[in-house]
Amino acid sequence: AQSVTQLDSQVPVFEEAPVELRCNYSSSVSVYLFWYVQYPNQGLQLLLKYLSGSTLVKSINGFEAEFNKSQTSFHLRKPSVHISDTAEYFCAVTLPYNNNDMRFGAGTRLTVKP
Amino acid sequence: ETGVTQSPTHLIKTRGQQVTLRCSSQSGHNTVSWYQQALGQGPQFIFQYYREEENGRGNFPPRFSGLQFPNYSSELNVNALELDDSALYLCASSSRTGGYEQYFGPGTRLTVT
Repeated sequence: AQSVTQLDSQVPVFEEAPVELRCNYSSSVSVYLFWYVQYPNQGLQLLLKYLSGSTLVKSINGFEAEFNKSQTSFHLRKPSVHISDTAEYFCAVTLPYNNNDMRFGAGTRLTVKP
Repeated sequence: ETGVTQSPTHLIKTRGQQVTLRCSSQSGHNTVSWYQQALGQGPQFIFQYYREEENGRGNFPPRFSGLQFPNYSSELNVNALELDDSALYLCASSSRTGGYEQYFGPGTRLTVT
């Protein structure tokens, strides 16, 4: 079965610095990959997704992630973070055309300091 | 367009009791998935309902059961509550024509004492 590993449980960074949140997946078949963000006391919000096509996907708020099949990775990056980016970030994986068993990583707590 | 809503927001139950959590899916979505998120962990898939039928189940015991109604809203029922059932329960709706991403509700925080 597919699985996801988020390599960092916590990432502290100063405001306006770049950040990378790492995600590796495991699957014997092709997968769909997602990044979700969770603010305190809220549900999860989709940040971006990779289904097929271009391996670099971008969100409207400056985040981007690159699907790397050879390294089985889907790292999330942002060139300059804001205080408001402080949240929990989850990487998730499903099989194509079937989202009935979405597997999430344990999450990375991004803390942006002034 | 109405998003995914869940009720209640918070709930406190005693070990051994039963609980029902409710979810209204986003307009146009016919699939509802339920997840359990323990403190400090990622969400764990419980089960999914598609057109009122169970369409996949995670590694949860039978005392976790569900329903989906003709309007695609859904219930999660948990019998014989255990202390380890304390968690945030998330509902997510999706559409098979919508790219397979799931739209999450705010969750129900269940505390079992």
